[in-house]
Amino acid sequence: NAGVTQTPKFQVLKTGQSMTLQCAQDMNHEYMSWYRQDPGMGLRLIHYSVGAGITDQGEVPNGYNVSRSTTEDFPLRLLSAAPSQTSVYFCASSGSGDGYTFGSGTRLTVV
Amino acid sequence: SQQGEEDPQALSIQEGENATMNCSYKTSINNLQWYRQNSGRGLVHLILIRSNEREKHSGRLRVTLDTSKKSSSLLITASRAADTASYFCHVTGGFKTIFGAGTRLFVKA
Repeated sequence: NAGVTQTPKFQVLKTGQSMTLQCAQDMNHEYMSWYRQDPGMGLRLIHYSVGAGITDQGEVPNGYNVSRSTTEDFPLRLLSAAPSQTSVYFCASSGSGDGYTFGSGTRLTVV
Repeated sequence: SQQGEEDPQALSIQEGENATMNCSYKTSINNLQWYRQNSGRGLVHLILIRSNEREKHSGRLRVTLDTSKKSSSLLITASRAADTASYFCHVTGGFKTIFGAGTRLFVKA
């Protein structure tokens, strides 16, 4: 089925560990983005990409890196996990002028 | 960056009643979208209205856009218990866009 696939669905990290959250879409969308959602709040933009090889920072980029080597994939890297990064992470993609398609989310806990 | 702010924060209604949620924003936009999020899940795109449109319908959903007041409303008619969710508006006028905290809708059976 066409859509946005995020892995893993759940992850527990220790403070200081690093990891990569995977995001892939098969709709040939140019725009992809990562958000975090904390309890009772909206989504905050971490990083986004308007095409392969192009990324830019969102509202809350510190502690995260991204790359976009292909149109399909947009991984999010946590460099040194901190408890403040405990959150639910959503990846989204969009074609020109269309609504966003969201992945099902990754629930991350940093202890 | 663009931000949509939803109002009210929470809304509780009986099944069969209509639910109205509002969204306000501050700058010019290309389009405005409404999303639904069921607890613990990803957001689902409901409807998109472009800046040159004033009203749009999709099933039991009706969205209006007033660019002079920089506001939009989402009306859900004949609500069902399954409509219980959080609803977010999302305004786009560039690449850096932000979602508001949403309206939490509770539909009582």
